[in-house]
Amino acid sequence: AQSVAQPEDQVNVAEGNPLTVKCTYSVSGNPYLFWYVQYPNRGLQFLLKYITGDNLVKGSYGFEAEFNKSQTSFHLKKPSALVSDSALYFCAVRDRDTGGFKTIFGAGTRLFVKA
Amino acid sequence: DGGITQSPKYLFRKEGQNVTLSCEQNLNHDAMYWYRQDPGQGLRLIYYSQIVNDFQKGDIAEGYSVSREKKESFPLTVTSAQKNPTAFYLCASSPMGQKNTEAFFGQGTRLTVV
Repeated sequence: AQSVAQPEDQVNVAEGNPLTVKCTYSVSGNPYLFWYVQYPNRGLQFLLKYITGDNLVKGSYGFEAEFNKSQTSFHLKKPSALVSDSALYFCAVRDRDTGGFKTIFGAGTRLFVKA
Repeated sequence: DGGITQSPKYLFRKEGQNVTLSCEQNLNHDAMYWYRQDPGQGLRLIYYSQIVNDFQKGDIAEGYSVSREKKESFPLTVTSAQKNPTAFYLCASSPMGQKNTEAFFGQGTRLTVV
């Protein structure tokens, strides 16, 4: 069965500091991994994804994520946080080998960036 | 503009009533999904459809029904059997045949039982 864990309900960081939002996953096959961002009362917006190849994936708005197969993790990172990055972030996994197009999302991590 | 349109944005339902949430897309995507979002629980999959006239139950399908008569449309009905329907509902779509493609989301419908 597929599952995603985001161990932190909330992450607080000062503007200009680096940020990390953690994600670990479980799939029976190989994963496709995604990060999305949600602003209040809005739908989710795609940030980046891991398909194959380079473990460091770069995405929108200066975000990047590192795929670590041995730790089954896909942590989201940004070198220098902005106040406008404050939002709800979701990690998601889709099993490359089984499960059709079913995508499982984590519970979300709320990011607060203080000025 | 291409995208997914959900309507209405806010919906109020009396207990015992059925209500239907609309989701329309003009992205020519084959796969469409309905998710329910509750605080602290992330997104939970209600139903998904990979082709017209076919759909599968997700993890929390009880009390919900869907139809997929057209490629562009995937309406969700919240029936009176759903005991706790107050939530934020999100519709999404993705291309079929490209399993590594991200989903595109609508802006959501907030359903409140009064």
